[in-house]
Amino acid sequence: GEDVEQSLFLSVREGDSSVINCTYTDSSSTYLYWYKQEPGAGLQLLTYIFSNMDMKQDQRLTVLLNKKDKHLSLRIADTQTGDSAIYFCAEMGDSSYKLIFGSGTRLLVRP
Amino acid sequence: DADVTQTPRNRITKTGKRIMLECSQTKGHDRMYWYRQDPGLGLRLIYYSFDVKDINKGEISDGYSVSRQAQAKFSLSLESAIPNQTALYFCAAGGGIGNTIYFGEGSWLTVV
Repeated sequence: GEDVEQSLFLSVREGDSSVINCTYTDSSSTYLYWYKQEPGAGLQLLTYIFSNMDMKQDQRLTVLLNKKDKHLSLRIADTQTGDSAIYFCAEMGDSSYKLIFGSGTRLLVRP
Repeated sequence: DADVTQTPRNRITKTGKRIMLECSQTKGHDRMYWYRQDPGLGLRLIYYSFDVKDINKGEISDGYSVSRQAQAKFSLSLESAIPNQTALYFCAAGGGIGNTIYFGEGSWLTVV
């Protein structure tokens, strides 16, 4: 079945770049997403990428997709303390329309 | 945003009681979802719906039921709540470009 995996924790210094990685198993994944969850809050859609793309940039966020290796990454440039949150990777197949999540990566930004 | 609203935001209920979580969305999306979040487990899909007449089970549907009363409304029921259903529940709606799915703020449910 579908599975999405992420590392659990990442700590970076303020101003550095953060890279959060994700792997997935469903070769029919058509859409891949990154969500952010701040403490006590819901999920905020950050960005998404189609499986026929290999990169997408949106201000400080860069998404890289290696479809061959089923690897997705989210790079946050100039990471700020406000970026501290849990980041979820999710994938959706082209026929199921189920959104399958990883366990989330907790990003801690140190001053 | 899909402007997804969940009620109640917080609820404490007793074991064996029936509880309903309600969800509405204002953007007319066809697809609606209910997820459950437990610490360290990410979000797991309970049920999803493509339209009023199309309801599908997710990976953890046992102990739950849903009703899609209208395109804009999708409710989740626990017929007889048990303590291990204590969790944060999210409703979501979406579709369209990128099949983007937007989430509500979540409903904290505690079963004692």
